[in-house]
Amino acid sequence: DAGVIQSPRHEVTEMGQEVTLRCKPISGHNSLFWYRQTMMRGLELLIYFNNNVPIDDSGMPEDRFSAKMPNASFSTLKIQPSEPRDSAVYFCASSLKTGGMYTGELFFGEGSRLTVL
Amino acid sequence: TQLLEQSPQFLSIQEGENLTVYCNSSSVFSSLQWYRQEPGEGPVLLVTVVTGGEVKKLKRLTFQFGDARKDSSLHITAAQPGDTGLYLCAGSRGKLIFGQGTELSVKP
Repeated sequence: DAGVIQSPRHEVTEMGQEVTLRCKPISGHNSLFWYRQTMMRGLELLIYFNNNVPIDDSGMPEDRFSAKMPNASFSTLKIQPSEPRDSAVYFCASSLKTGGMYTGELFFGEGSRLTVL
Repeated sequence: TQLLEQSPQFLSIQEGENLTVYCNSSSVFSSLQWYRQEPGEGPVLLVTVVTGGEVKKLKRLTFQFGDARKDSSLHITAAQPGDTGLYLCAGSRGKLIFGQGTELSVKP
């Protein structure tokens, strides 16, 4: 079975450029999460969707960041314009949320390592 | 503000030693999960604890959820080099919040 698929695995770009990260969750999962991981701040939740609807975007750093989930099998995280402090590994994860406060087991992709020069 | 505090942040031990990693919070969680992450990969779930006071064992790993569901511990017995990695606790409150992680290095 295919796991969570993220692309690109690595991206190097220059400050001011637009960056788009892509994620295909596991088929049948109803929740999708975008996390950012850095040495300084660890794994931070940026935004999560339930049934393709954004539920909590309080972790999105600022208006330069946006995320969409047009259907159950695809999501994007866009940074425009990018800045050097956005350099991090961005993870997408999906889960089958059965209700209540329990998120279920998160299945992570391999991550997209972003370097903004 | 970090909701979940893990300690220690770094741990370097010799093969065969025992160790405990702590995950503490002032908040109550409906459940708590432990993940392990290896370089270049995403975290992978080890265990989920749901009930206050719950203890779960996974081979040489023992996980405990505090009675008040605010804290948890991971104990590894007779650590092996294959246990090396980043251990993350994560609390569930509708969304999953991660601690900073404990970087474990087990030397042969």
